[in-house]
Amino acid sequence: AQKITQTQPGMFVQEKEAVTLDCTYDTSDQSYGLFWYKQPSSGEMIFLIYQGSYDEQNATEGRYSLNFQKARKSANLVISASQLGDSAMYFCAMRDGNTGNQFYFGTGTSLTVIP
Amino acid sequence: DTGVSQDPRHKITKRGQNVTFRCDPISEHNRLYWYRQTLGQGPEFLTYFQNEAQLEKSRLLSDRFSAERPKGSFSTLEIQRTEQGDSAMYLCASSLGATRVETQYFGPGTRLLVL
Repeated sequence: AQKITQTQPGMFVQEKEAVTLDCTYDTSDQSYGLFWYKQPSSGEMIFLIYQGSYDEQNATEGRYSLNFQKARKSANLVISASQLGDSAMYFCAMRDGNTGNQFYFGTGTSLTVIP
Repeated sequence: DTGVSQDPRHKITKRGQNVTFRCDPISEHNRLYWYRQTLGQGPEFLTYFQNEAQLEKSRLLSDRFSAERPKGSFSTLEIQRTEQGDSAMYLCASSLGATRVETQYFGPGTRLLVL
């Protein structure tokens, strides 16, 4: 079974608009961490935001926020006020007791910001 | 620049040749990871070091692959007798262990093409 599922292969958003990138996860652990990374065409994975399973508040980092719905096992990334530089691949990842120290990544969502 | 660095950034080789990649982690990070990423996929875990000890290895890491981290600083990943299926992006990441979040910070990757 897939640990991380990203169902949107590609998304388009108008510049200055908000966009939500979906991520659902599968784990039987109570303690886990969820991460979002951005990968521009240059290839480097850039850390965006983290949500711990015990965190009561949704994580926020600047224009990025994470809509964490624990019962639904979803951890959607919300990007507000999209910019042209946000065009990239976005990966959701998880680390839990089963994955040990490694991250398990989804297949990614390609976001294109339209001027 | 104090981020994770990888060398070379690109490598083209002929099938059957050996290749070696180097990763220099963030200096205070004691954990180092290697991932492989193929087109259209998220990164897949290969192996993990805590200081100089290799603690986890994926089933993806066949006996043609070997990784080292002498002295717990930089790491090398060697692929012997390369095959066309080895063509991928090889990503290195490092983290500071024993932290609540333990975010992994990635290098720019080495793109390998096996002809």
